[in-house]
Amino acid sequence: DAGITQSPRYKITETGRQVTLMCHQTWSHSYMFWYRQDLGHGLRLIYYSAAADITDKGEVPDGYVVSRSKTENFPLTLESATRSQTSVYFCASSSAGAFQETQYFGPGTRLLVL
Amino acid sequence: AQKITQTQPGMFVQEKEAVTLDCTYDTSDQSYGLFWYKQPSSGEMIFLIYQGSYDEQNATEGRYSLNFQKARKSANLVISASQLGDSAMYFCARRGGAGGTSYGKLTFGQGTILTVHP
Repeated sequence: DAGITQSPRYKITETGRQVTLMCHQTWSHSYMFWYRQDLGHGLRLIYYSAAADITDKGEVPDGYVVSRSKTENFPLTLESATRSQTSVYFCASSSAGAFQETQYFGPGTRLLVL
Repeated sequence: AQKITQTQPGMFVQEKEAVTLDCTYDTSDQSYGLFWYKQPSSGEMIFLIYQGSYDEQNATEGRYSLNFQKARKSANLVISASQLGDSAMYFCARRGGAGGTSYGKLTFGQGTILTVHP
């Protein structure tokens, strides 16, 4: 079973370019999440989605856009990449939003913005 | 913000010994879940163990157990019989319950790097 996948796994881009990170899950989970991981900050929530066509901001949403037209996909777009967006990005999903539901993570995308 | 605090940036343990990784949390939610994740050097996030705020017994999963003290708002991870493969970063996280501002979302601590010595 594929579970949750992210692509690309590694990306180098330049300041000002648009970049889209893809996330795909095969579990039909309702909830999906995007986090970024930076030294000294742990993981911080960028955006999340409770279902197709329902998205909401997390802790650090500025500079990012998400969409969710299909349950299984949750792409994250950096509209105009900045150096401060150099990070490791994790996608996650859970079957529901209840507090006892475990979130499962994708392998991560390492993004370098030059 | 409802914060998660992991006060130990790094911990060392001898192989086959037990180690406790600390985690304290802020919350105003009545119901919530506490999770521990392991992040090895390869980078993936691996779910280890879960404790619900209403659970009366401490959670256990194999060599992992969670020392949950609700009144103190602490949820320490205990790893028994450490193995070399336990060397990794460990994250504590909390997920809020219905009606709370953090419903559905995980808030993470900054992590503890565990090194297991042979």
